[in-house]
Amino acid sequence: QLQLHESGPGLVKPSETLSLTCTVSGGSINSTNHYWGWIRQSPGKGLEWIASIYFSGTAYYNPSLKSRVIVSVDTSQSQFSLRLSSVTAADSAVYYCARQPRATAGIFLFWGQGTLVTVSS
Amino acid sequence: DIQMTQSPSSLSASVGDRVTITCRASQSISKFLNWYQQKPGNAPHLLIYASSSLQSGVPSRFSGSGSGTDFTLTISSLQPEDFATYYCQQSHTTPWTFGQGTKVEI
Repeated sequence: QLQLHESGPGLVKPSETLSLTCTVSGGSINSTNHYWGWIRQSPGKGLEWIASIYFSGTAYYNPSLKSRVIVSVDTSQSQFSLRLSSVTAADSAVYYCARQPRATAGIFLFWGQGTLVTVSS
Repeated sequence: DIQMTQSPSSLSASVGDRVTITCRASQSISKFLNWYQQKPGNAPHLLIYASSSLQSGVPSRFSGSGSGTDFTLTISSLQPEDFATYYCQQSHTTPWTFGQGTKVEI
């Protein structure tokens, strides 16, 4: 059974870089049929798609965050990662990773449980 | 970006009620509209995709309709486990965007 598990620091200082990893188990990150995405949820901005990546490394970014975001995939570890630089309090949110069908890439079919990240000094 | 607007933001209902939530896109998205349910402390869960297709395992009391800019989610007979927040999301154009949510309360 597919499981996605987000991990990373729960507290990040302003201006620093937020780094999260999503570990995929019970399914193959090398799947040619899926993308892997990051979404965040905050009281102020609701649900916001951040970026998605294919196992080959091809990535798509939300233009509003693109200048600060890098997503990557490590197929040997069955993980994909998110780095968000120059964070502010506005980046405090629950961050989710999700699996997306390649044929209908914009659908978030399966989600991790989420991890809360707070930006504060 | 395509803006998604849901109404109402919240509603009060009783078990057995028929509930309808609407979602409007700022431009035409054909049928690229999905609905998610979220309960407190949990991730969103896909209910309906492509406007009207029921995700596997989702009860048939949930249904969706619409195309272009106007869409609806209907719960035909509200059950206790349906009290949650519902979100629409467009998958027509990146950046994929969500509505602000509709909270269904007792």
